[in-house]
Amino acid sequence: QSALTQPASVSGSPGQSITISCTGTSSDVGGYNYVSWYQHHPGKAPKVMIYGVSDRPSGVSNRFSGSKSGNTASLTISGLQAEDEADYYCSSYTSSITYVFGTGTKVTVL
Amino acid sequence: EVQLVQSGAEVKKPGESLKISCKGSGYSFTTYWIAWVRQMPGKGLEWMGMINPADSDTRYSPSFQGQVTISADKSINTAYLQWSSLTASDTAMYYCARGYSGSGTWDSWGQGTQVAVSA
Repeated sequence: QSALTQPASVSGSPGQSITISCTGTSSDVGGYNYVSWYQHHPGKAPKVMIYGVSDRPSGVSNRFSGSKSGNTASLTISGLQAEDEADYYCSSYTSSITYVFGTGTKVTVL
Repeated sequence: EVQLVQSGAEVKKPGESLKISCKGSGYSFTTYWIAWVRQMPGKGLEWMGMINPADSDTRYSPSFQGQVTISADKSINTAYLQWSSLTASDTAMYYCARGYSGSGTWDSWGQGTQVAVSA
């Protein structure tokens, strides 16, 4: 199974909003509401920011939101802050009863 | 507090075997699946496979099927990832993570185990 497709990089100024896309197929993103988004700072453990397409775990800022349309999921970060600079990965359950990650997006705060 | 504590960094030679571990604490170990995730140098996260410690039901990504073995010992709340014959391409950071069945997400992660394979 192929990795989900994400843009390699997205940037924005502090306070702006950015959106990261995650494109899969009907066998993963489009077929299930099991899309998660992870924030990964180099050298640290990944952290789940969104699960179930649009749910936020306790403790995650409401500046992070998720959505899905067809085979594409999206993560939006509003009110961008310097601490949001990190790599972001989407993940989806698949019809093979496995999971797949996205290719990853580097978010830069200008 | 939920914790997944992984074994320490390893330096191995090609052809050697290796087994790294992930010990869970602060929760019911058999209630959550454990997944293993690879990150090669400068690359993204790759989902390798997962195990249900309650019954050792295991699923592998097609990319890793036959290349590694995932196991667990529920008596000591520990999951394992092992190789029978390492190659240089196994050089990577490996993370374990827990996920509740049906949640579709991995909500707590280990600190990572660095594996370096070099002659």
